[in-house]
Amino acid sequence: EIVLTQSPATLSLSPGERATLSCRASQSVSSYLAWYQQKPGQAPRLLIYDASNRATGIPARFSGSGSGTDFTLTISSLEPEDFAVYYCQQRSNWPTFGQGTKLEIK
Amino acid sequence: QVQLQESGPGLVKPSQTLSLTCTVSGGSISSGSYYWSWIRQPAGKGLEWIGRIYTSGSTNYNPSLKSRVTISVDTSKNQFSLKLSSVTAADTAVYYCARAIRGWFGEWGERWFDPWGQGTLVTVSS
Repeated sequence: EIVLTQSPATLSLSPGERATLSCRASQSVSSYLAWYQQKPGQAPRLLIYDASNRATGIPARFSGSGSGTDFTLTISSLEPEDFAVYYCQQRSNWPTFGQGTKLEIK
Repeated sequence: QVQLQESGPGLVKPSQTLSLTCTVSGGSISSGSYYWSWIRQPAGKGLEWIGRIYTSGSTNYNPSLKSRVTISVDTSKNQFSLKLSSVTAADTAVYYCARAIRGWFGEWGERWFDPWGQGTLVTVSS
């Protein structure tokens, strides 16, 4: 089983700041990594697929990078609606998710 | 625009079988481009993939749940279903159905999940 480790567990920032979230895989997943945003009481929403491609309707302030074992989700300038939990997901063997990074307002 | 909606009992007794159905609207479940999946999330915790089904009826399950899980599809109703047997309190969670984009990686698998249903809370308690 491929384990995804996200860091930090919690990130405290202010609106307008830049957010950098990390996801590290226990072995290479090539570029087959996705990122999701989840708000309280809602289902996860796809943000990024194949490491760096924005899903339909996702604002340009969201970007993804990385390949192999190290991946990054960057939010260039935080909007109030961006404060949520973010998960990464890989598909090797069977799909697994990271434990999540909570992005909270400072 | 494809939408998914879970339905089923919100309360299941220990040792019994949890049964949920996902109804797909706005698109055909028979499309060959997708897998139809179940994912769960215990309160305050992360996401766990349960399993998937293809339009042909072919299934794959999380090894940790495989002995207790059955996923089936009814193409005539545009629905797929989950059965989880011998449930315990540890199976209490929000259960989501989701569509996965099918991709070839040397074997067929999911690339990403989109869209998701809104989720349904299932509590296991006597």
